[in-house]
Amino acid sequence: AQSVTQLGSHVSVSEGALVLLRCNYSSSVPPYLFWYVQYPNQGLQLLLKYTSAATLVKGINGFEAEFKKSETSFHLTKPSAHMSDAAEYFCAVNSGGSNYKLTFGKGTLLTVNP
Amino acid sequence: KAGVTQTPRYLIKTRGQQVTLSCSPISGHRSVSWYQQTPGQGLQFLFEYFSETQRNKGNFPGRFSGRQFSNSRSEMNVSTLELGDSALYLCASSLGPGAEANTEAFFGQGTRLTVV
Repeated sequence: AQSVTQLGSHVSVSEGALVLLRCNYSSSVPPYLFWYVQYPNQGLQLLLKYTSAATLVKGINGFEAEFKKSETSFHLTKPSAHMSDAAEYFCAVNSGGSNYKLTFGKGTLLTVNP
Repeated sequence: KAGVTQTPRYLIKTRGQQVTLSCSPISGHRSVSWYQQTPGQGLQFLFEYFSETQRNKGNFPGRFSGRQFSNSRSEMNVSTLELGDSALYLCASSLGPGAEANTEAFFGQGTRLTVV
């Protein structure tokens, strides 16, 4: 069974600072990994997804994530935080195969201070 | 291209009642999944439908059910509502079998259900 662990339920950074949101996964098969963002009272929006073509994945809004198989990690980063990045971020893994079922981490709430 | 549409956006129900939520997927998407989001449990998978068949089910009681119609639209039903059913219910659509497993799911804005 797949599982996802997000370290840190709340991360606070200053505007312009580096954003690092941690995600570790457990999967018995090659993982299909995603990062989603959720703004208040909204659904989930895809930031980026892992494809086997590249270990460094670039997403929207300047975010990127690096897949490290040896560390079973898929951490999300952004070089310079903006006030509009304040939201909750979820890492997810798809069980793959013919069924589509996302297993989510508990989420990390990102606060950006002026 | 229209996104995933969920109706209604907000609902208030009384304990013991039942409720039906609706989801219209993106045109051409044939797989619809449902998730429950609560502050305590986070995002939990309810079930997934493809071609009017439930292919996968999460660990929820039988009071939670769903169905999918021939046009891929889906409904979920919760009977005998409990206070703990208060949550944001999210619907997601994806292409379905035949697409790559890393194909993303697109989410609707959700239905906020409050049980009083």
